[in-house]
Amino acid sequence: DVKVTQSSRYLVKRTGEKVFLECVQDMDHENMFWYRQDPGLGLRLIYFSYDVKMKEKGDIPEGYSVSREKKERFSLILESASTNQTSMYLCASSPERLAKNIQYFGAGTRLSVL
Amino acid sequence: SQQGEEDPQALSIQEGENATMNCSYKTSINNLQWYRQNSGRGLVHLILIRSNEREKHSGRLRVTLDTSKKSSSLLITASRAADTASYFCAPGEYGNKLVFGAGTILRVKS
Repeated sequence: DVKVTQSSRYLVKRTGEKVFLECVQDMDHENMFWYRQDPGLGLRLIYFSYDVKMKEKGDIPEGYSVSREKKERFSLILESASTNQTSMYLCASSPERLAKNIQYFGAGTRLSVL
Repeated sequence: SQQGEEDPQALSIQEGENATMNCSYKTSINNLQWYRQNSGRGLVHLILIRSNEREKHSGRLRVTLDTSKKSSSLLITASRAADTASYFCAPGEYGNKLVFGAGTILRVKS
């Protein structure tokens, strides 16, 4: 079974802190994604990566950056956390097969910025 | 990328009844996927239907796709309390990104 592991289930940080959210997948997937989920807004794509050291902006990249130094790990970085970044963050991965781009999700990290 | 729009926003039914959720989208797709999310957890893939398919079954799930109307429906038959969750459709364009809508919240009462 595919496993996508997010490093923390719950995280509390202070405004202005630098925050790292880590995601690791064990299926050698090429593609990895970071979403945030807010009530009534569904999932919104922050960044995605289709290869090591490659990244592309999603729909809401402002205030975030990402790092993919190894194929299995995709990190989301909040350079200076703000209260409006309080949200549920979901990581996902998918294989490089265009006809069957099923995404496998981690359990999520609920981040509170105080 | 386009977003799927699920309808209704919320649905409450009794155990044993069928639940139907609908999804509409705007442009051409390669496939359409449905996912489930239990409260506070990540999404789990349920079923994928390709653009050249009209209907697909998986256990108690039945998905239809009408590309002429740009719509899809998910039917859960003989629902159980464990089916209580949010359900999302994700139209897949010719690429690897999916765009999820706000979902349908299904509550199955026992």
